[in-house]
Amino acid sequence: DAGITQSPRHKVTETGTPVTLRCHQTENHRYMYWYRQDPGHGLRLIHYSYGVKDTDKGEVSDGYSVSRSKTEDFLLTLESATSSQTSVYFCAIRSGRESRETQYFGPGTRLLVL
Amino acid sequence: AQTVTQSQPEMSVQEAETVTLSCTYDTSESDYYLFWYKQPPSRQMILVIRQEAYKQQNATENRFSVNFQKAAKSFSLKISDSQLGDAAMYFCAYYGGATNKLIFGTGTLLAVQP
Repeated sequence: DAGITQSPRHKVTETGTPVTLRCHQTENHRYMYWYRQDPGHGLRLIHYSYGVKDTDKGEVSDGYSVSRSKTEDFLLTLESATSSQTSVYFCAIRSGRESRETQYFGPGTRLLVL
Repeated sequence: AQTVTQSQPEMSVQEAETVTLSCTYDTSESDYYLFWYKQPPSRQMILVIRQEAYKQQNATENRFSVNFQKAAKSFSLKISDSQLGDAAMYFCAYYGGATNKLIFGTGTLLAVQP
């Protein structure tokens, strides 16, 4: 357990509405990540952060934005949700210890866009 | 670009038997790490084992071991004495020092028969 929580754990929303997912960590890790998981694709990186207010895009960033105003929180926002964004979203941290390249994951958020 | 390929969408093993899951990857980097993650029906992503590319010795964690063939770019996972709790989706993942990102394969769904 890397002290990662995600909220909400489940959400149903309608096309065109904004949605914000929250990732919270308690161990002061510098690096945080957002992934989406879809059948046949494994996990794909959306955005990541390497410090407060420092973020960068991943391979599937279109339609998503992120913010990190505090070390412990990393927010993922869908400005105007679409049905193609129905997915399971995972947050991850990168360990700051000797295995610093290793990522540990939160429990996931299941999002359904109708 | 780095890629990870898991060519076995599904596998099945009898309880107490041994099973090997395959993974191949493509990279031009010399400094990288390889991982196997387990995802049970709870959807939690659990780190099973990690391997540093610069180490020739294969990693082991209790009943889990890898066969790392660097020249062939192959990274298979062997599960010995399979248990019902090993039933899950298994993902192979690559982390490169230059890319600073974790790249996943599409997963292998393992069923364990009693």
